[in-house]
Amino acid sequence: GQNIDQPTEMTATEGAIVQINCTYQTSGFNGLFWYQQHAGEAPTFLSYNVLDGLEEKGRFSSFLSRSKGYSYLLLKELQMKDSASYLCAVMDSNYQLIWGAGTKLIIKP
Amino acid sequence: NAGVTQTPKFRILKIGQSMTLQCTQDMNHNYMYWYRQDPGMGLKLIYYSVGAGITDKGEVPNGYNVSRSTTEDFPLRLELAAPSQTSVYFCASSSREEQPQHFGDGTRLSIL
Repeated sequence: GQNIDQPTEMTATEGAIVQINCTYQTSGFNGLFWYQQHAGEAPTFLSYNVLDGLEEKGRFSSFLSRSKGYSYLLLKELQMKDSASYLCAVMDSNYQLIWGAGTKLIIKP
Repeated sequence: NAGVTQTPKFRILKIGQSMTLQCTQDMNHNYMYWYRQDPGMGLKLIYYSVGAGITDKGEVPNGYNVSRSTTEDFPLRLELAAPSQTSVYFCASSSREEQPQHFGDGTRLSIL
């Protein structure tokens, strides 16, 4: 079967750095997406990786290793507004997104 | 910049009732999707469409129906509502299948 694993909850301190991991087993691979979802709101797109390596976008970076079935989202200089759930999703061979359950990130002052 | 618009935002239904969740997008996207999101679980694809007149089942289609008569609109129909359909429903669209999906604000549906 297809499976996406990510930690349920993480806590970090304002101004610090946090890494959210995602491992996957899917039938085929056509890219990996990270979305941010604030409580009670819609998911919003953060990043997309299809090749191995690091993609940097401001305070957020995303890394992919296809051979290991592994990705991480790195958030730097954490702000209170970064408190949200972070969703990892993999596009399978049918170009359908398989979603992880999300990681709830709690930022403490 | 409306993006993807869903109505209603909230609804309470009685078991056995039917309703239609509306979704419209103004980005001229060909691809549209319906997901449900349950606590502690990832988004599950209900139905999707690759263009007007074309729809296909996702992972959890039972109890739902869709239509796509125009590029803009992709309504989701619930027939004979059941408590298991209590969920948050999101509609999304994308320009191409490998492009990021843009989500509506969701419909919070309770079946009692």
